[in-house]
Amino acid sequence: QVQLQESGPGLVKPSETLSLTCTVSGYSISSGYYWGWIRQPPGKGLEWIGSIYHSGSTHYNPSLESRVTIFVDTSKNQFSLKLSSVTAADTAVYYCASTVGPQYTLLLPHWGQGTLVTVSS
Amino acid sequence: DIQLTQSPSFLSASVGDRVTITCRASQGITSYLAWYQQKPGKAPKLLIYAASTLQSGVPSRFSGSGSGTEFTLTISSLQPEDFATYYCQQLNDYPITFGQGTRLEIK
Repeated sequence: QVQLQESGPGLVKPSETLSLTCTVSGYSISSGYYWGWIRQPPGKGLEWIGSIYHSGSTHYNPSLESRVTIFVDTSKNQFSLKLSSVTAADTAVYYCASTVGPQYTLLLPHWGQGTLVTVSS
Repeated sequence: DIQLTQSPSFLSASVGDRVTITCRASQGITSYLAWYQQKPGKAPKLLIYAASTLQSGVPSRFSGSGSGTEFTLTISSLQPEDFATYYCQQLNDYPITFGQGTRLEIK
């Protein structure tokens, strides 16, 4: 059973860089599939941030692409998100997720529990 | 980008009711659509993919249908645990997009 767990600071100052890590258990990232980040502002809907393949190739949301980097550390079975120049609009619950399962590249059967990141001085 | 529009945005229903939620895509996506359920404070849970395939462990009162640009999620007989927010997601192409959500509340 694939399990994902987000970790990182819960408070980030405006203009700084948000950094989160997702630790995967029950499956080796290097074995395949896509690994992604989705966020949800308080009381609002889901917004996909980006996804990375185990080989390192990435897809990003065009609305965030200039500020986003997603990378994989296969030695630690983790993947990470960096979002630069944050503002209050980046305050959200951040979820990591994976496509492990049915052969649909964009399907997200597995999610972490989510972590709230607040952007405030 | 493929835009997804759900209707209604809010739905009030009673235990035992049959409810249907619609998701319309801005362009044809054949059967590349999934449905998720989200309860407050929890991550979304996959219910249905490929428009009509039930994810393992999901009760059979949930069903999905549709193709092209119009899709539906039906709950045949609402149970107390089904009151939640439902999202559709297209599986056709990047960028991944979701519908705005349908909040299902107890009448």
